[in-house]
Amino acid sequence: NAGVTQTPKFRILKIGQSMTLQCAQDMNHNYMYWYRQDPGMGLKLIYYSVGAGITDKGEVPNGYNVSRSTTEDFPLRLELAAPSQTSVYFCASSYDRTYEQYFGPGTRLTVT
Amino acid sequence: QQQVKQSPQSLIVQKGGISIINCAYENTAFDYFPWYQQFPGKGPALLIAIRPDVSEKKEGRFTISFNKSAKQFSLHIMDSQPGDSATYFCAATGNTPLVFGKGTRLSVIA
Repeated sequence: NAGVTQTPKFRILKIGQSMTLQCAQDMNHNYMYWYRQDPGMGLKLIYYSVGAGITDKGEVPNGYNVSRSTTEDFPLRLELAAPSQTSVYFCASSYDRTYEQYFGPGTRLTVT
Repeated sequence: QQQVKQSPQSLIVQKGGISIINCAYENTAFDYFPWYQQFPGKGPALLIAIRPDVSEKKEGRFTISFNKSAKQFSLHIMDSQPGDSATYFCAATGNTPLVFGKGTRLSVIA
């Protein structure tokens, strides 16, 4: 099993550009999550999904969009990138709410 | 009410010593309390977790102590080793997704 995979690993965007961060899991998990982690800070939940076709906002959803058309994939879309979106983005998945979350390796995004 | 307050922000411990990290919460609906460990450049990974029906859970050198009435839980690392140097996050979930503390950066020095 590959677990949770994320692409790309690194990306530099110019202000106003858009991009999609890809996330996939092969563990047949129902729950998937997107977090951002600013330097020296904790994890902030952007969006999460409890199953295909169902998504919900987390703590910091502004400037982002998600979709969940399959169990495996949970892409995160950044529209009109801003410097405040410079961060490390982690995707995670879990079988259920109270089960272990498995994290991907992260995407380091810089917006200049 | 969704917050989990974690302390200290950073901790330096001698090799062989005991590392203690504390967390407090307000939401009585929380029913699952995991601790995650994160090494630089990596994603967090589950270290140990507890549910509120027990007051303590031990896995090797790592122990969670849980005080339901005080709404506090803590991580104890016995015989701390340099390889334990990492950032530790407490977390909690109830009727909402997992809420993370702000993290504790642990440095174990020889």
